[in-house]
Amino acid sequence: QQPVQSPQAVILREGEDAVINCSSSKALYSVHWYRQKHGEAPVFLMILLKGGEQKGHEKISASFNEKKQQSSLYLTASQLSYSGTYFCGTERNTGNQFYFGTGTSLTVIP
Amino acid sequence: EAQVTQNPRYLITVTGKKLTVTCSQNMNHEYMSWYRQDPGLGLRQIYYSMNVEVTDKGDVPEGYKVSRKEKRNFPLILESPSPNQTSLYFCASRRGGPSGNQPQHFGDGTRLSIL
Repeated sequence: QQPVQSPQAVILREGEDAVINCSSSKALYSVHWYRQKHGEAPVFLMILLKGGEQKGHEKISASFNEKKQQSSLYLTASQLSYSGTYFCGTERNTGNQFYFGTGTSLTVIP
Repeated sequence: EAQVTQNPRYLITVTGKKLTVTCSQNMNHEYMSWYRQDPGLGLRQIYYSMNVEVTDKGDVPEGYKVSRKEKRNFPLILESPSPNQTSLYFCASRRGGPSGNQPQHFGDGTRLSIL
């Protein structure tokens, strides 16, 4: 039931773009995205609720395809501060059990 | 300052010695949850609570207990810890209501080592 993320790891140079995918085998009610720096707590980025919804947060945006049970996180013109592990999190309905994906390690180098 | 506070931050203990990790939030959130984080497995939900006196199992509840006697506190209890419970633990809280539109706020984590 844990969502699958791809890629597992990615290395970028500053200014490059990246896409992180999150896929579930079950129907989704919502998708959350969090970023975790090494040794720190996860920090909330955004929530997507509706099928086909897209949201943006500075140069980080995301889409949610409810029919395909997939979400993608887009990081454009990456900065050193974007380095960390990105997790998607999903809820299948309002039953409140929450599933995080396995994470994608993103490293931005100068 | 709005925060979720976990204690202790680090603990090394031995198999079978009961321990409690405390979690407290000052945001009046209805929902609280415990996760464990292991390399390659991401964060997995152990237990969650929708409100006082209401708790439910998450994905990996075996070997753990929780209680929710007060809204602000949600302790995690390991009655007989074993080495496979060595992990990084996070407590989180969020507002109640429809679950899909509320971000979770995390504590700083507790690193448990069970020898």
